[in-house]
Amino acid sequence: QVQLVQSGAEVKKPGASVKVSCKASDYTFSSYGISWLRQAPGQGLEWMGWISGYSGRTNYARKFQGRVTMTTDTSTRTAYMELRSLRSDDTAVYYCARDSSPYSSTWVDYWGQGTLVTVSS
Amino acid sequence: DIQMTQSPSSLSASVGDRVTITCRASRSIDSYLNWYQQKPGKAPMLLIHDTYSLQSGVPSRFSGSGSGTEFTLTISSLQSEDFATYHCQQSYSTPPTFGQGTKVEIK
Repeated sequence: QVQLVQSGAEVKKPGASVKVSCKASDYTFSSYGISWLRQAPGQGLEWMGWISGYSGRTNYARKFQGRVTMTTDTSTRTAYMELRSLRSDDTAVYYCARDSSPYSSTWVDYWGQGTLVTVSS
Repeated sequence: DIQMTQSPSSLSASVGDRVTITCRASRSIDSYLNWYQQKPGKAPMLLIHDTYSLQSGVPSRFSGSGSGTEFTLTISSLQSEDFATYHCQQSYSTPPTFGQGTKVEIK
């Protein structure tokens, strides 16, 4: 069945960067997008951006523009999210999720297991 | 950005109860409203997309309704496995935005 498997937990110092991977399986990668979302401790869900599995086109939330880069490697069916200049309020669980459209962000139907990123000095 | 507001923030209910959660958008989102269920320590799970469409494998006791700015998620007969947090999300415009969540607890 469709699976998204994310890389493991990370601990980073303020100002550092983190790169989270998301390996997809059992579906046609180019027929869908990948959205990245995060959830700070005890908080709601926040959309960070989206990348097309078809074209690699990206759409980032204004809040993260200039600080985030989303890429895909279609040969390995893996999506990546890199967040730079980390701050303590970036501490959160980061999720990748399969988006129903390869053309724009819509709704997500399968989620990775989440990657806890802790930013602490 | 479109603001999504859920009510209530939490509720207590018993097994077998009918439960309704409301989600309001700060402006019209047509029918581009999705619902997710999240259990502690787990990733969210899609329940309903585009207001009414039940995701494959989701029990029929879950249903959605609404249009424009006001939407509801209804659980017709609450089961023990339904105790969780429910999130609404609009996909009408970028960025997609979520409500703050509604926690459904055991009475």
